[in-house]
Amino acid sequence: GQQVMQIPQYQHVQEGEDFTTYCNSSTTLSNIQWYKQRPGGHPVFLIQLVKSGEVKKQKRLTFQFGEAKKNSSLHITATQTTDVGTYFCAGLMRLIFGTGTRLQVFP
Amino acid sequence: EAGVAQSPRYKIIEKRQSVAFWCNPISGHATLYWYQQILGQGPKLLIQFQNNGVVDDSQLPKDRFSAERLKGVDSTLKIQPAKLEDSAVYLCASSHYTLGDSITDTQYFGPGTRLTVL
Repeated sequence: GQQVMQIPQYQHVQEGEDFTTYCNSSTTLSNIQWYKQRPGGHPVFLIQLVKSGEVKKQKRLTFQFGEAKKNSSLHITATQTTDVGTYFCAGLMRLIFGTGTRLQVFP
Repeated sequence: EAGVAQSPRYKIIEKRQSVAFWCNPISGHATLYWYQQILGQGPKLLIQFQNNGVVDDSQLPKDRFSAERLKGVDSTLKIQPAKLEDSAVYLCASSHYTLGDSITDTQYFGPGTRLTVL
């Protein structure tokens, strides 16, 4: 069946370093969403990408949708302690969440 | 606007008991989702409603799980009987609309119900 995998599973960075998480689907996606979940919290929507090759930016966050619409990435420039949490991609066709990347930022 | 409401926030039961969770979506949201999130994993979609109709329940263990959204607003998710592996956080989310498989509007998640099965 359809699977959505994310790498890395965990990432520890020093505050100010960059961070990237990658999302890979076994099947072509119609669109992809990214969510952030703080420890003990619930997923919060960040962005949705629809078009092949689409790139969107939100302040220090850059999201990209692959040309083949089977992969996506989230890049954070100059991480801050407020970026701590688990980042999930969620792919459609049938809504499937990725395995998540847990980000830890050390001050 | 008020967010997605869920109750209870926590529930502890013994295996083979029954449990029910309640969700009140954001007013006006046509689509409602129930997810199961096991510790350390991403949310897994159990069922998706569009108004009061089921869009996708392919991952719902129908031998023990049931869900309904009778009036197209509130929803309940029931587990009967519960197993140890059902211990998880059950998240409810809602969105304005879903257009088939192609476009889903932003999902807003509730705080979840943490279920512990002993």
